[in-house]
Amino acid sequence: DAGITQSPRHKVTETGTPVTLRCHQTENHRYMYWYRQDPGHGLRLIHYSYGVKDTDKGEVSDGYSVSRSKTEDFLLTLESATSSQTSVYFCAISESGQGLLVYEQYFGPGTRLTVT
Amino acid sequence: QKEVEQNSGPLSVPEGAIASLNCTYSDRVSQSFFWYRQYSGKSPELIMSIYSNGDKEDGRFTAQLNKASQYVSLLIRDSQPSDSATYLCAVNIRSEGSARQLTFGSGTQLTVLP
Repeated sequence: DAGITQSPRHKVTETGTPVTLRCHQTENHRYMYWYRQDPGHGLRLIHYSYGVKDTDKGEVSDGYSVSRSKTEDFLLTLESATSSQTSVYFCAISESGQGLLVYEQYFGPGTRLTVT
Repeated sequence: QKEVEQNSGPLSVPEGAIASLNCTYSDRVSQSFFWYRQYSGKSPELIMSIYSNGDKEDGRFTAQLNKASQYVSLLIRDSQPSDSATYLCAVNIRSEGSARQLTFGSGTQLTVLP
């Protein structure tokens, strides 16, 4: 397995509380991504990072923020969790691609978040 | 129209048969294509990447890419019960946002019957 860990692996929280999920990599890859996976919707990109302090929005970024202060860590924050954010969250990493090519993404083990 | 489409299945094949999984995509200039396998309750695992037209073989897996027709397929030869999983197709769709993003299909559920 690529050196990617996510914490926590499981979390139950109440509506309105802040939640932070952590992704940590030991591969020194430039790109890091946060996805959510829901039945009927597949994997959807929330935010991604292309370097320290460099981040951009994905398809479903509303209600989420991210930060990357070190190459190895990418944090996803739900400022005020809602029940619609109950999901499985995956972090992924990737090296820089050459030209127009996108290189392989490798996924972490996931975090199952339940918002009650 | 979804940007990356897969038959949702379920697809059932007998053990030892060839399983054929298909994926079509909308972006004519996409350059990077991937197949992931996901077991229930687990994270997606990369099994194949393909960047050029034609076939790419790795063990029992063959990826086929046809950019003119905008489809990519995955063949699994000598299918085993352990191949039973959901297979995700991923493509870099550049219609919005960065070319570094991947768009995933909703997956095809494969069951290999003993």
